[in-house]
Amino acid sequence: NAGVTQTPKFRVLKTGQSMTLLCAQDMNHEYMYWYRQDPGMGLRLIHYSVGEGTTAKGEVPDGYNVSRLKKQNFLLGLESAAPSQTSVYFCASGGSLSYEQYFGPGTRLTVT
Amino acid sequence: AQSVAQPEDQVNVAEGNPLTVKCTYSVSGNPYLFWYVQYPNRGLQFLLKYITGDNLVKGSYGFEAEFNKSQTSFHLKKPSALVSDSALYFCAVSLRSTGFQKLVFGTGTRLLVSP
Repeated sequence: NAGVTQTPKFRVLKTGQSMTLLCAQDMNHEYMYWYRQDPGMGLRLIHYSVGEGTTAKGEVPDGYNVSRLKKQNFLLGLESAAPSQTSVYFCASGGSLSYEQYFGPGTRLTVT
Repeated sequence: AQSVAQPEDQVNVAEGNPLTVKCTYSVSGNPYLFWYVQYPNRGLQFLLKYITGDNLVKGSYGFEAEFNKSQTSFHLKKPSALVSDSALYFCAVSLRSTGFQKLVFGTGTRLLVSP
């Protein structure tokens, strides 16, 4: 049981480049989340999804887009990367009958 | 708006001693409260939660937390610390009124257990 997986693990981008982060979960969870973690700021919610085909904005959505075409996958896109988006990105999933979230191992993104 | 405060950036404790990591919250309704732990270069792992019922909640790895509504606190405790407990700990809150767990996290407290 792989749980929540994220690809890639590391990425370096130049300002203005685009990329997509992939999150996959094999627990049949309805809810999926994208967070970013910055030193001294904890985790902040970027976007989330309450089911296949639905997405919604979190606390810090600007500069990011998401899609959830399949229940098990949640993609986070950066259309034009900026240095302020240098961060560690975590995906999480959760079921409707439980309260805890399950986190992936993270993607460390550096924008130069 | 809901918020979580973890007043200590770092807690130092000797192995075998009891530990406490503090958390206070602010919400307009009744909260769901959580503790997560993050080991280096890893994602967050769920430790325990308070949803309703007994104010003392027991979780993984011998950790427990006490919900105190009057003090709006949810401190994490362990009777005897281990060196392997050294990690980054996050408190989180969500509102009971939400249909799913839209969590707000604290800034984290680094626990350092010395041998």
